[in-house]
Amino acid sequence: AQSVTQLGSHVSVSEGALVLLRCNYSSSVPPYLFWYVQYPNQGLQLLLKYTSAATLVKGINGFEAEFKKSETSFHLTKPSAHMSDAAEYFCAVRKGGNEKLTFGTGTRLTIIP
Amino acid sequence: GAVVSQHPSRVICKSGTSVKIECRSLDFQATTMFWYRQFPKQSLMLMATSNEGSKATYEQGVEKDKFLINHASLTLSTLTVTSAHPEDSSFYICSTQRDSTDTQYFGPGTRLTVL
Repeated sequence: AQSVTQLGSHVSVSEGALVLLRCNYSSSVPPYLFWYVQYPNQGLQLLLKYTSAATLVKGINGFEAEFKKSETSFHLTKPSAHMSDAAEYFCAVRKGGNEKLTFGTGTRLTIIP
Repeated sequence: GAVVSQHPSRVICKSGTSVKIECRSLDFQATTMFWYRQFPKQSLMLMATSNEGSKATYEQGVEKDKFLINHASLTLSTLTVTSAHPEDSSFYICSTQRDSTDTQYFGPGTRLTVL
């Protein structure tokens, strides 16, 4: 079975500092990997996705993630945090050919002024 | 990304009543829609996969007679919570996708509070 693990349910960074949100996956076949962001009382917005093309994926709002097969990781980064980045972030995995998404438990990002 | 709407955005009802939530795919015809439930400070849990013109596929532990799903058209799926109880209070989110290789696009969610 496929799954994702997000290390750190809460992450706090200062405004302007590097954002690093961790995601590790387990999958018996090459997966599709996603990062979504959720603002309070809203649905999920796709930040970026990996679909076996380039291992470094650039998304919206300055976020990017790197697929590392050797580490089974897909960590999300942003060089400089902005106050508007404060939200809940979810990593998700989908096995190729399967429609279902499996979500991690989420990481709440707080930005310190 | 695609636009997905949900209605209502928020609903409060009395215990024992039924509540219908609509999910509309506004940008494309979606043969498949998904319904998720999210409890406070938790992740999304898939409830069921809704397929146009056929019965929904429910995840293990989800009562199909309590959570009725109707995918009446390629742009509309509805979730009806029947005989709602306080433990059904949650945030319900739908998503759509064009095909099995596509990204899922999520609606804004519906917050259900059962008194």
